[in-house]
Amino acid sequence: QSVLTQPPSVSGAPGQRVTISCTGSSSNIGAGYDVHWYQQHPGAAPKLLIYSNSNRPSGVPDRFSGSKSGTSASLAITGLQAEDEADYYCQSYDSSLNGYVFGTGTEVTVL
Amino acid sequence: EVQLLDSGGGLVQPGGSLRLSCAASGFTFSSNAMSWVRQAPGKGLEWVSGIFGGGNNPWYADSVKGRFIVSRDNSKNMVYLQMNSLRAEDTAVYYCARFRGSGSSYAYSFDYWGQGTLVTVSS
Repeated sequence: QSVLTQPPSVSGAPGQRVTISCTGSSSNIGAGYDVHWYQQHPGAAPKLLIYSNSNRPSGVPDRFSGSKSGTSASLAITGLQAEDEADYYCQSYDSSLNGYVFGTGTEVTVL
Repeated sequence: EVQLLDSGGGLVQPGGSLRLSCAASGFTFSSNAMSWVRQAPGKGLEWVSGIFGGGNNPWYADSVKGRFIVSRDNSKNMVYLQMNSLRAEDTAVYYCARFRGSGSSYAYSFDYWGQGTLVTVSS
């Protein structure tokens, strides 16, 4: 059972903007630990999309952006494209569990 | 180019053992902490274990502590996961992943992943 909660699904038309929330608690995001985001296409390994709350690895389009506030974080995708259809996971560290935790995952559908 | 190649998965009976391997290339292996992350069929991601570049102080998720052992051989650029006393709930695709981060381990993310190897625990 994940300690980071995400909406099961979000959808948008091509070109639109969608956001995915990641809600934690005082032992993870609220404790100041960094939040990272991953994209996973069906049958493929996850890919790092955003690290340390708002940083993009080389090669990740600037359509993807991350933010963090309090006990929550968000991933925004602007200019939605068909290739963005995938599952997205947030990740942080939890001091109560003494380990890394992932969000419940969000399926993004491009209408 | 960073590459991670996972292997060793298969079908094992409950209570049995299995050893997973991960072959790394394209980076200075001994300088990077490594990890294992798993994903049960149709489910989300779960961190399993981590090991620092020098092989010291491995750490584990509570769900596998005392049953799984992570190790590495820096001379061969390999990381291993010895899985003992396997249970049905250990059934998952297991990914080897490289930790990203040079500061506190609390801030680590996973920047490169293997293709995954499927472990099925069933009688």
